[in-house]
Amino acid sequence: DAGVIQSPRHEVTEMGQEVTLRCKPISGHNSLFWYRQTMMRGLELLIYFNNNVPIDDSGMPEDRFSAKMPNASFSTLKIQPSEPRDSAVYFCASSLGSGGLGDTEAFFGQGTRLTVV
Amino acid sequence: AQSVTQLGSHVSVSEGALVLLRCNYSSSVPPYLFWYVQYPNQGLQLLLKYTTGATLVKGINGFEAEFKKSETSFHLTKPSAHMSDAAEYFCAVSEPGGSYIPTFGRGTSLIVHP
Repeated sequence: DAGVIQSPRHEVTEMGQEVTLRCKPISGHNSLFWYRQTMMRGLELLIYFNNNVPIDDSGMPEDRFSAKMPNASFSTLKIQPSEPRDSAVYFCASSLGSGGLGDTEAFFGQGTRLTVV
Repeated sequence: AQSVTQLGSHVSVSEGALVLLRCNYSSSVPPYLFWYVQYPNQGLQLLLKYTTGATLVKGINGFEAEFKKSETSFHLTKPSAHMSDAAEYFCAVSEPGGSYIPTFGRGTSLIVHP
């Protein structure tokens, strides 16, 4: 398997523009996570999907952020409108969650480095 | 609720010296514990994990960690540091039977001097 695939790797956009980040999880994994990494706040969980259903979105900063998982092989994280403070590295991760046991590790993509100017 | 504390945002060692990265956790149930490594411009990858059984866990690249329930710790060690070990290391905890969303520490940057 190619692992978790994220696109684009780098994104530079102007403030106010819409940004869409994409993720293809590992085939067969039923859990998907979106994380944001910054120097100030470290690694923050934004949203968690299980079997394509959003389970916990309490980490989504505000209404400008939205995430979808239309099927088991694709997820998007959208920011509209984007702001400079959204600049960060965004990671997607997937795992084979085993009925709530939590013993299976998360596999991370290489991340999308977003810069909002 | 679960949480992770990594003591020291930066640890500096000489090549060949012992590596010790500290992690303490808080969990309402016996936890599952993980160490991840992040190389520059890469995602996180698993080094090792503890779920049940033997409390001393061996991982990739010569790293190991020991689960100490009485100390609520899961420190990461390696007998002899290599230059290639320079990276960011994250400790994580999840709770069996719960949401199984891993909670990550803030990370420790390991610096290896020649």
